[in-house]
Amino acid sequence: DAKTTQPNSMESNEEEPVHLPCNHSTISGTDYIHWYRQLPSQGPEYVIHGLTSNVNNRMASLAIAEDRKSSTLILHRATLRDAAVYYCILRPWNSNSGYALNFGKGTSLLVTP
Amino acid sequence: EAGVVQSPRYKIIEKKQPVAFWCNPISGHNTLYWYRQNLGQGPELLIRYENEEAVDDSQLPKDRFSAERLKGVDSTLKIQPAELGDSAVYLCASSPGAQGNTGELFFGEGSRLTVL
Repeated sequence: DAKTTQPNSMESNEEEPVHLPCNHSTISGTDYIHWYRQLPSQGPEYVIHGLTSNVNNRMASLAIAEDRKSSTLILHRATLRDAAVYYCILRPWNSNSGYALNFGKGTSLLVTP
Repeated sequence: EAGVVQSPRYKIIEKKQPVAFWCNPISGHNTLYWYRQNLGQGPELLIRYENEEAVDDSQLPKDRFSAERLKGVDSTLKIQPAELGDSAVYLCASSPGAQGNTGELFFGEGSRLTVL
């Protein structure tokens, strides 16, 4: 499986935008880019995913580089409840119904008032 | 809709004792996963079920860990005997079958095990 590289930690002020980077230079042309986050004492939760085009949903935006070797998760206005560990994960598009996501260490986001 | 339910939330045992964790996945989800998460690390897969069948158990330490998913719904993960290094959070997740599967996994809150 292709690997991802993320900073160990990042810090943001409340109500400011946050850009969480992820490098995946060995990504396959058919790998989806998934983002999950894990709040303290909770299981991971899905945030967003994409293949080639930028994606938006109610939680965040995903910006994917043209060469797909990197991506950025964008939280438009960070709140204290966004403090969590954010995981960037690659998933093959042709994986069978139950592909087990491979989590790395992720980025621990600290949001300060 | 109810999410993935796990129990117990917390368990403290002495080493060499047995322990079991239970998971009820989201209704209709064919695939069930057990992950282990050590402190400061991301979750690591232990076993994956497709209905009743364990299709990936390569990371499950089979000398002391066992799992079952009878009738393809609920699942139990057992450790016997527990060792100090088994202290971790055990996460259960589920996902739909091939149809309608966007690759999203739905996780429970986890069971935190402390072995003394």
